[in-house]
Amino acid sequence: DQQVKQNSPSLSVQEGRISILNCDYTNSMFDYFLWYKKYPAEGPTFLISISSIKDKNEDGRFTVFLNKSAKHLSLHIVPSQPGDSAVYFCAASAGTASKLTFGTGTRLQVTL
Amino acid sequence: GAVVSQHPSWVICKSGTSVKIECRSLDFQATTMFWYRQFPKQSLMLMATSNEGSKATYEQGVEKDKFLINHASLTLSTLTVTSAHPEDSSFYICSARDGRSPNGYTFGSGTRLTVV
Repeated sequence: DQQVKQNSPSLSVQEGRISILNCDYTNSMFDYFLWYKKYPAEGPTFLISISSIKDKNEDGRFTVFLNKSAKHLSLHIVPSQPGDSAVYFCAASAGTASKLTFGTGTRLQVTL
Repeated sequence: GAVVSQHPSWVICKSGTSVKIECRSLDFQATTMFWYRQFPKQSLMLMATSNEGSKATYEQGVEKDKFLINHASLTLSTLTVTSAHPEDSSFYICSARDGRSPNGYTFGSGTRLTVV
């Protein structure tokens, strides 16, 4: 039972344009959501998070949007840079610092 | 910032042997650590939650006797893969709960286990 899903396994975006990565969840108990960037054979690197009391959080080039009614969140990266090329995972927890449930990942390729 | 050191970064072992992976919080005390495994091109799956001084809580489907977790101190948790088989080959990642971190978790760099 995959409680957190990323339906796009891959995404290709031109440098300078916006990257939009999507994530859906099914567990209504989830109230804290995070995005991680990951390279092969490395641990995930935290990017940005959002609590369910908010619908938007912004940090530099990264913005996360949360639509609780649709159980959907998205990560916007603008402008996209070649160094953003990696696999992105969304994750969710019921309460901050509880165990994380990860999505299936989206491989982002930013082309020149 | 908080650092979690995971060792070894990669290991190759023969079928039937046991392998120990260490996860250390270097500059903070971690009462709770988490162990994940990741198969190629798949998600990170939580295996167990490790609490200092008590038994680990395993996720459904994870064999307790095969994946032994010990969290004897506030800075060290270990995962031992016992009687390893080729199907145990995977990427194992630990994370520590860190109240000082803006997102509450710090991840190790992972261990690539290959069982031959």
